[in-house]
Amino acid sequence: GAVVSQHPSWVICKSGTSVKIECRSLDFQATTMFWYRQFPKQSLMLMATSNEGSKATYEQGVEKDKFLINHASLTLSTLTVTSAHPEDSSFYICSAPATGGGTEAFFGQGTRLTVV
Amino acid sequence: AQSVSQHNHHVILSEAASLELGCNYSYGGTVNLFWYVQYPGQHLQLLLKYFSGDPLVKGIKGFEAEFIKSKFSFNLRKPSVQWSDTAEYFCAVRNSGNTPLVFGKGTRLSVIA
Repeated sequence: GAVVSQHPSWVICKSGTSVKIECRSLDFQATTMFWYRQFPKQSLMLMATSNEGSKATYEQGVEKDKFLINHASLTLSTLTVTSAHPEDSSFYICSAPATGGGTEAFFGQGTRLTVV
Repeated sequence: AQSVSQHNHHVILSEAASLELGCNYSYGGTVNLFWYVQYPGQHLQLLLKYFSGDPLVKGIKGFEAEFIKSKFSFNLRKPSVQWSDTAEYFCAVRNSGNTPLVFGKGTRLSVIA
């Protein structure tokens, strides 16, 4: 089946630095990528939707200048957490819907970000 | 906006006990419904999904779920749990193929020997 590969699976960074998370669709073209965030003991919450070749759409309350999303190709979408702070520590997951009108959704393995 | 409620935060069962995890959603239109499982350190894995047709859906690993439209529910069941079922379970809903999923908060299942 279709696979979405997400890297890194975990990262620790210092406060004020930036972290880039990559999601690659390995055997299909992902024209859309959804980025979710999951805080401890909470649900996965949609942060933004990226579409290949256009600007991402951010959910209310998500700072677009802090969470930079790039979807430059049909197989790669990136999320960069800029000037990270401890409150950005979370679990970030990407997801791509199936192409061709399918209703499946494929998830990356997630990235555990810890900002110290 | 859609919302998904999972009423149980943490469920602890003995092996061979029966399982039912509740899930209710708020959207009144046509929905796609999903149950995902997340084992520690692993991807979300699809257990089962409902799009249309038979409201009783059978998934992998012996899980099943029943869609009850009148109750806006999609509860997950398994007649006899195993220690290896210990994981986090997420219910999710969306209303079309290209829209994002809305997730419940998840239910942690701990199965003890």
